[in-house]
Amino acid sequence: DIQMTQAPSSLSASVGDRVTITCRASQSINYFLNWYQQKPHKAPKLLIYSASSLQSGVPSRFSGSGSGTDFTLTIDSLQPEDFATYYCQQSYSVPLTFGGGTKVDI
Amino acid sequence: EVQLVESGGGLVQPGGSLRLSCAASGFTFTNFAMGWVRQAPGTGLEWVSSTTSSGLTTYYADSVKGRFTISRDNSKNTLFLQLNSLSAEDTALYYCAKFPTRFVTGTNMDVWGNGTTVTVSS
Repeated sequence: DIQMTQAPSSLSASVGDRVTITCRASQSINYFLNWYQQKPHKAPKLLIYSASSLQSGVPSRFSGSGSGTDFTLTIDSLQPEDFATYYCQQSYSVPLTFGGGTKVDI
Repeated sequence: EVQLVESGGGLVQPGGSLRLSCAASGFTFTNFAMGWVRQAPGTGLEWVSSTTSSGLTTYYADSVKGRFTISRDNSKNTLFLQLNSLSAEDTALYYCAKFPTRFVTGTNMDVWGNGTTVTVSS
């Protein structure tokens, strides 16, 4: 199974900050990496697919990069509605696996 | 509007069974792979099971293999998850999710339901 490791597990930031979250796969997954945002008591929401493609309707301050084993989610100019938990997920092979999550709070 | 609505969760005793349903609307259900993801209280997301658009190919996490069965009724736009031999470790919020393709790898989960809660306790 492919293990996904996110860092950090939590971070504190302020409105307007640039935030970077990393995700590392235990083996190469090409570009088959997705990012989801989950707010408390809400379902996850797809933000970025295929490592760097922005899902329709997602603000352009969100961006993704990387390939192989190392990936990054960047939020430029953090907004109040961005405080949430973020998960990476590999779709290279079954079992599909998620990272442990990164909680972004104030 | 694309929508997924889960149902069937509840309180069940260890060793018991439940059948979860996911009613889909707003898209051509038969064209897309579907799956289930769960989230135990206070923890992260865990993929549980997925099926291709036809329902002919199914996949399971090792933690549920042999106990859970995924199926779909394309005539009724509904996805199912049969949960057997439940234990406390299966207590979680179970989300139904849609893939934007007929298959489950090399893709993503672009639409999610709000989840249905399964609690396994005596």
